[in-house]
Amino acid sequence: DQQVKQNSPSLSVQEGRISILNCDYTNSMFDYFLWYKKYPAEGPTFLISISSIKDKNEDGRFTVFLNKSAKHLSLHIVPSQPGDSAVYFCAAKSPGTYKYIFGTGTRLKVLA
Amino acid sequence: GAGVSQSPSNKVTEKGKDVELRCDPISGHTALYWYRQSLGQGLEFLIYFQGNSAPDKSGLPSDRFSAERTGGSVSTLTIQRTQQEDSAVYLCASSYRDTSNAEAFFGQGTRLTVV
Repeated sequence: DQQVKQNSPSLSVQEGRISILNCDYTNSMFDYFLWYKKYPAEGPTFLISISSIKDKNEDGRFTVFLNKSAKHLSLHIVPSQPGDSAVYFCAAKSPGTYKYIFGTGTRLKVLA
Repeated sequence: GAGVSQSPSNKVTEKGKDVELRCDPISGHTALYWYRQSLGQGLEFLIYFQGNSAPDKSGLPSDRFSAERTGGSVSTLTIQRTQQEDSAVYLCASSYRDTSNAEAFFGQGTRLTVV
């Protein structure tokens, strides 16, 4: 049972344009959501998070949107840069637990 | 170092042998996690430790897998009688939990290949 789903395994975007990565979840109890970026042969690196009491969080070029009614999370990267090319994972946790549930990842390729 | 350190970075072992993977978390971090990523898959939760509480072992795939965390710091993940399906990148992460939500910081992983 995949509680966190990233249905697009890959995405290609032109440099300078917006990248939108999507994530859907099934557990309405999730209260905290995160995005990680992973380069080959490296561990995932934390990018940005959002609590379920918010619907948007912004950090520089990265913005995360949360739509609780749709159980949908998205990460926007504007403008996209070639260095953003990586695999992006979304993750979620339930209140009172320390266990993050990860999606299967989306490989983003930003074309110069 | 300032980050999560894992050793070895690569391990090739024969089927049926036992392996130990080590994780040094960030100093002062109270929570420690183990995940694994099989080829083409997402991150699969294995186990986490939080302070002196009993660990959450709900993600361990079989009783061949075990982990311990000594002195609230270093952790060792042990896989007994390794199988080819155990081949994956094993990732350790740690976080500082003075709040209910905190991001986890990952190490670079140990790539385990069972031949």
